[in-house]
Amino acid sequence: LAKTTQPISMDSYEGQEVNITCSHNNIATNDYITWYQQFPSQGPRFIIQGYKTKVTNEVASLFIPADRKSSTLSLPRVSLSDTAVYYCLVGDNSGNTPLVFGKGTRLSVIA
Amino acid sequence: EPEVTQTPSHQVTQMGQEVILRCVPISNHLYFYWYRQILGQKVEFLVSFYNNEISEKSEIFDDQFSVERPDGSNFTLKIRSTKLEDSAMYFCACRGTGGNARYEQYFGPGTRLTVT
Repeated sequence: LAKTTQPISMDSYEGQEVNITCSHNNIATNDYITWYQQFPSQGPRFIIQGYKTKVTNEVASLFIPADRKSSTLSLPRVSLSDTAVYYCLVGDNSGNTPLVFGKGTRLSVIA
Repeated sequence: EPEVTQTPSHQVTQMGQEVILRCVPISNHLYFYWYRQILGQKVEFLVSFYNNEISEKSEIFDDQFSVERPDGSNFTLKIRSTKLEDSAMYFCACRGTGGNARYEQYFGPGTRLTVT
């Protein structure tokens, strides 16, 4: 499994765009990049997944450069309710291998 | 939107007692998991389950742990003789099949287990 590195914490004001970058230098050809969100005392929740270039859904965008050694989760116009821990996971989509969570990035949104 | 449910939300037990944590996964999902999270720490994988058998288990999942899908809807985690260090939030998760489904797991709200 590719090791991931992301900032321990970030602060942002409401209404700003937040970008959280994850490094995964050892990403393999078959690996996908997936982000999960976890609110306090709740289970993780899938946000977005991508393989290359850019993916966008109703919650976030995921930017992946050509070399795929990093990725950036972009949250547009955050609100207080976006305060959570965000996890970057890297792995392939074959078999039944479980998710491996790191420590994630704790995002605090301030009014 | 379909969701995973877990009961109880909070369980307090004495050291050495048996506990059973229950989960009702999303109905058409076929892969099931248990994870745990000790307060302030990472989410850790315990066990995965498919086709009525364990697919993979971590070092945490020792002989004191067992899983079962007794009736085709519930998915349970049993800890035979609880230890203080078993105190954690336990999450059940499930996923569907096909495409990118492997990385889109659906987690329940968790059961907070407190061992005294």
